Amino acid sequence: NAGVMQNPRHLVRRRGQEARLRCSPMKGHSHVYWYRQLPEEGLKFMVYLQKENIIDESGMPKERFSAEFPKEGPSILRIQQVVRGDSAAYFCASSRLGTDTYEQYFGPGTRLTVT
Amino acid sequence: DQQVKQNSPSLSVQEGRISILNCDYTNSMFDYFLWYKKYPAEGPTFLISISSIKDKNEDGRFTVFLNKSAKHLSLHIVPSQPGDSAVYFCAASGMGGNQFYFGTGTSLTVIP
Repeated sequence: NAGVMQNPRHLVRRRGQEARLRCSPMKGHSHVYWYRQLPEEGLKFMVYLQKENIIDESGMPKERFSAEFPKEGPSILRIQQVVRGDSAAYFCASSRLGTDTYEQYFGPGTRLTVT
Repeated sequence: DQQVKQNSPSLSVQEGRISILNCDYTNSMFDYFLWYKKYPAEGPTFLISISSIKDKNEDGRFTVFLNKSAKHLSLHIVPSQPGDSAVYFCAASGMGGNQFYFGTGTSLTVIP
């Protein structure tokens, strides 16, 4: 009964490097959401994807951030040329039917540290 | 622009007593509300939800109350147990909305 899986759990990058965060949704789930939690803040929505489609990316920074959810394999959140302000916990969630269920199941998160 | 607010960053309660966690929202288009519980180094876990057509939903020791006119919801845990110690986030979603808006969380400590 595997839940949402994220890897790596911890990622350290130097300024200017690229960060790739992976998310495998729960079995049977085809909708993936990415959230970011900055220190002392709540979770902030970034992007909602279905297989091969970005449905809502209204929470994504306009530059350096991209997300994909290919037909095969995990969803990837990619951050290019990381800066110190990107240091945060990034959570992925999945749901079975998207907005109809309203219940999103979260992974354990990836803690990104930019040095 | 924080549309969902949890104004109490922390709360301590004696074991066996009631814990009341509060949440306020500003967007009247929100029609679905959820509470999540989060332990350190783990992702949030869904706890209980309520739609705007109801004013109360109960699940075991957990009850969520919704006051639409005040744009306020609360989570009651009774009796509180030490295992309830965690950070609790409330979240809200609008009709057909894809994203949840989360509050900043309240850290609950239940003292044995």
